[in-house]
Amino acid sequence: SQKIEQNSEALNIQEGKTATLTCNYTNYSPAYLQWYRQDPGRGPVFLLLIRENEKEKRKERLKVTFDTTLKQSLFHITASQPADSATYLCALKDSSYKLIFGSGTRLLVRP
Amino acid sequence: EAEVAQSPRYKITEKSQAVAFWCDPISGHATLYWYRQILGQGPELLVQFQDESVVDDSQLPKDRFSAERLKGVDSTLKIQPAELGDSAMYLCASTSTGRSYEQYFGPGTRLTVT
Repeated sequence: SQKIEQNSEALNIQEGKTATLTCNYTNYSPAYLQWYRQDPGRGPVFLLLIRENEKEKRKERLKVTFDTTLKQSLFHITASQPADSATYLCALKDSSYKLIFGSGTRLLVRP
Repeated sequence: EAEVAQSPRYKITEKSQAVAFWCDPISGHATLYWYRQILGQGPELLVQFQDESVVDDSQLPKDRFSAERLKGVDSTLKIQPAELGDSAMYLCASTSTGRSYEQYFGPGTRLTVT
């Protein structure tokens, strides 16, 4: 069956450290993968998109990698801040062009 | 900055009652989506519109859910009758034709069915 898996346990890190979140998928061949941020009681906010032919994408303190062999994407936040605390969702387009979301990983950055 | 508007933000209803949610996408966005998000899970697509036409409603429980976008602008999602399992966040999103990969989400409507 098709699955997108994100770590359901919250990631708790100290301010200034790098946060790394993982997204694994099975039985998909996505053309691209996206990462969204979601704050409690709010809708997701688009952060980054990485295509299947790109290995890495950066935007300010954010970095995303995409390994189509491992079927995995890693999302990094460098020099993390308490304001980065949120749930981060990965999403990919399936063969019917629907956006399929993972269940998200909650990040807590301690001051 | 333009935003997707949704109302109400919160709705409490009793089971078997009817409930409706409204969404106004960003001006000029031709594609509109309704998602349902259960607590602790990611959003799940219910229905997608391109202008006023339904593109995908394969995951919409059509026995009780209906959605319309009559003039290709704002949209309404209705549930009748509501069931306890419908308690969730209902999110609306829109995209522009040129950047269809970037979905802009509204704040959502939190539905509680008692």
